[in-house]
Amino acid sequence: ETGVTQTPRHLVMGMTNKKSLKCEQHLGHNAMYWYKQSAKKPLELMFVYNFKEQTENNSVPSRFSPECPNSSHLFLHLHTLQPEDSALYLCASSQEGQGETQYFGPGTRLLVL
Amino acid sequence: TQLLEQSPQFLSIQEGENLTVYCNSSSVFSSLQWYRQEPGEGPVLLVTVVTGGEVKKLKRLTFQFGDARKDSSLHITAAQTGDTGLYLCAGSRNTGGFKTIFGAGTRLFVKA
Repeated sequence: ETGVTQTPRHLVMGMTNKKSLKCEQHLGHNAMYWYKQSAKKPLELMFVYNFKEQTENNSVPSRFSPECPNSSHLFLHLHTLQPEDSALYLCASSQEGQGETQYFGPGTRLLVL
Repeated sequence: TQLLEQSPQFLSIQEGENLTVYCNSSSVFSSLQWYRQEPGEGPVLLVTVVTGGEVKKLKRLTFQFGDARKDSSLHITAAQTGDTGLYLCAGSRNTGGFKTIFGAGTRLFVKA
């Protein structure tokens, strides 16, 4: 399944680094999502974009900064992260907004040292 | 508050056994999805159910949506080691705008 791709697949960064996660969907969808998945916890919705506009921000710390230049691409810019931010970051897309079936990318495994 | 309860949280069985996992809520959903996720990968969609009482089959997997659209079950017949993974359910509902919520998942381990 290559409908939703994410890069990099793995990332190790220090707390003072700045890095970006990239997501691209090839499904012609109009909504894109960032989720955080930590061990033994449910998926946590972070951001939702619908037609390039941010429609949801679930009280995410400002050290996470999303960017959606078009309906096919989504970025998550990271800076001054904390070790507790280590997790699997998943991107998803759906035809329209929430309420539609979401299709996930393979995720980026992030480790913050 | 966990709006979507999945049970059991963990299940370890022998190859060839049957199993059922559950996804329960007090909320009514317009649709419900089941995903399987392998370690280090993203969830892969297995099925979407939308009609109360609906039953869908995918080879050895049988999915049922409750009549009231508040719960769902996934039954696997003759489990194989390749069925090992985290099974997630997700429900979509209209709360003044559609929202999708995920359960915490059932982690299945099928032993050879």
